[in-house]
Amino acid sequence: DAGVTQSPTHLIKTRGQQVTLRCSPKSGHDTVSWYQQALGQGPQFIFQYYEEEERQRGNFPDRFSGHQFPNYSSELNVNALLLGDSALYLCASSNTGGEYFGPGTRLTVT
Amino acid sequence: QKEVEQNSGPLSVPEGAIASLNCTYSDRGSQSFFWYRQYSGKSPELIMSIYSNGDKEDGRFTAQLNKASQYVSLLIRDSQPSDSATYLCAVNWGFQGAQKLVFGQGTRLTINP
Repeated sequence: DAGVTQSPTHLIKTRGQQVTLRCSPKSGHDTVSWYQQALGQGPQFIFQYYEEEERQRGNFPDRFSGHQFPNYSSELNVNALLLGDSALYLCASSNTGGEYFGPGTRLTVT
Repeated sequence: QKEVEQNSGPLSVPEGAIASLNCTYSDRGSQSFFWYRQYSGKSPELIMSIYSNGDKEDGRFTAQLNKASQYVSLLIRDSQPSDSATYLCAVNWGFQGAQKLVFGQGTRLTINP
């Protein structure tokens, strides 16, 4: 049974560029959440998708947007990248109970 | 501002001893609580969930919840070097079944052989 998968593993972008990160949830899970984890900090909630709709959103600017597809996979898009967007981006899926994280995408903005 | 507080450590424990990790949270309405383990360079791994006051045991791990004191703890018995990691406390501030986990900054635990 495949767990949560994310792509790419690592990414280097330049300030002002746009990036798209991808996530496939664990089999049987219909809810996908995205988190940003800066070095030495706990993950920060960005938003959650359920039934292809954004159900909840954290304190992130509109530069952060997402999408969920009918097969429950999801994308996170970040526009106009800033140096401060450099972080580990984590996708988590859930059905009931706790959330299960994918391996993450390490984004570096230069 | 809803918050989850953890001592960032590092916490150093000798092999075979009990490691005790603590977490406090600010919202009395919280219903679900989780402990995650994160190895350096890896993503968080769910190790315990607890929803009711009292203790919940799973192998060498025991989670303790006291909603009146807004306090969650994790005990690791017979600590092993492989338990060395950062432990993240997470509280669910979601509604109507939606999860919105708020994490503490994590406690770095080192088990010394």
